[in-house]
Amino acid sequence: DAGITQSPRHKVTETGTPVTLRCHQTENHRYMYWYRQDPGHGLRLIHYSYGVKDTDKGEVSDGYSVSRSKTEDFLLTLESATSSQTSVYFCAISEPGQGYGYTFGSGTRLTVV
Amino acid sequence: GDSVTQMEGPVTLSEEAFLTINCTYTATGYPSLFWYVQYPGEGLQLLLKATKADDKGSNKGFEATYRKETTSFHLEKGSVQVSDSAVYFCERGGNKLTFGTGTQLKVEL
Repeated sequence: DAGITQSPRHKVTETGTPVTLRCHQTENHRYMYWYRQDPGHGLRLIHYSYGVKDTDKGEVSDGYSVSRSKTEDFLLTLESATSSQTSVYFCAISEPGQGYGYTFGSGTRLTVV
Repeated sequence: GDSVTQMEGPVTLSEEAFLTINCTYTATGYPSLFWYVQYPGEGLQLLLKATKADDKGSNKGFEATYRKETTSFHLEKGSVQVSDSAVYFCERGGNKLTFGTGTQLKVEL
């Protein structure tokens, strides 16, 4: 989507290897989020950030870490990928306050073999 | 805690049929309410929103009215098209959205 890009779009990796997904925004939004989407589970929040170096866990944070060293970039790292982390990962951005919706990236399809 | 519940899918309709996808919420205060749409292979896109009670959000022929009395935000469209086939998500505003499973809509000729 305009203003937010995710890379890579597709990745296949082996069990036990570290993987980093990148989310880049040009909107200067304060909040950034990482979700995973799986059949039957909808979207589940992994981690989010409310500012540079300010991050917090979501509902499915085990096995994931994040970093935000500058406003525009939010990195999601799988420390040691497992097959249960095969999923589609979405990044989203937002601004605090009533009425602000989310803008989503196009997603990263990750397969762990 | 605060939550959103939307009807289970999939919903299958014929083209030009009337669409309703139910959504109810629980929340302290009066949050903004949103509908998002996800087309196959894409991320979610904001479809419409309402920021206060009795507001009506509308976009692309879709409408939803913020009903405080019934804590609902049902999505409606008078005449669906095949191109409306997608997954629809209802959400309440906040700093940390929690998504449900969405409602899949399939429109057939």
